[in-house]
Amino acid sequence: EPEVTQTPSHQVTQMGQEVILRCVPISNHLYFYWYRQILGQKVEFLVSFYNNEISEKSEIFDDQFSVERPDGSNFTLKIRSTKLEDSAMYFCASYRGLNEQYFGPGTRLTVT
Amino acid sequence: AQTVTQSQPEMSVQEAETVTLSCTYDTSESDYYLFWYKQPPSRQMILVIRQEAYKQQNATENRFSVNFQKAAKSFSLKISDSQLGDAAMYFCASPPGRSNTGKLIFGQGTTLQVKP
Repeated sequence: EPEVTQTPSHQVTQMGQEVILRCVPISNHLYFYWYRQILGQKVEFLVSFYNNEISEKSEIFDDQFSVERPDGSNFTLKIRSTKLEDSAMYFCASYRGLNEQYFGPGTRLTVT
Repeated sequence: AQTVTQSQPEMSVQEAETVTLSCTYDTSESDYYLFWYKQPPSRQMILVIRQEAYKQQNATENRFSVNFQKAAKSFSLKISDSQLGDAAMYFCASPPGRSNTGKLIFGQGTTLQVKP
């Protein structure tokens, strides 16, 4: 069964550093998403991406964040200058339009 | 704004028994989907079951079923014959109304403990 993959599974970085989280969505899906889950809290929407552009973003998704689909397969989330409060689990999801989103296993980001 | 509320932070159930997790939501739409996701300690998000709002019949997937009360905007998850592997965090989720981006709004989650 096709699946969404994410790398790395765990990233440790120092405050102020840039990080890039990578995702490979399911190949025939058209919509892509990033969500964030701070430990012990609910999953929060960050951004959706369709037709090579951002279709919606949340208040969390400020200028420090950017997304890109550099080729036909990868979907990346970049955080330019990480803060302690960016420590969280980041989930990538993709969606074909049948109202079922497929989630990747997540990347645990730890900012020290 | 669309909201999804899970009022039970923690629930516990004896193995082989039945447990019901509650969820309420707020929407002005008449047609939408509702989902339950399971998040085990690995933190992977696993779709458990989904309900289409225009369908009156409650969705069922093996031991998992929902009690969907559209007028009350209630969407509870029933787990029958609970197993140790059902222990996890469970999230209720729904896409917001007029959004065509498909983003999901999640509830706060319910941690389910299964006692042997």
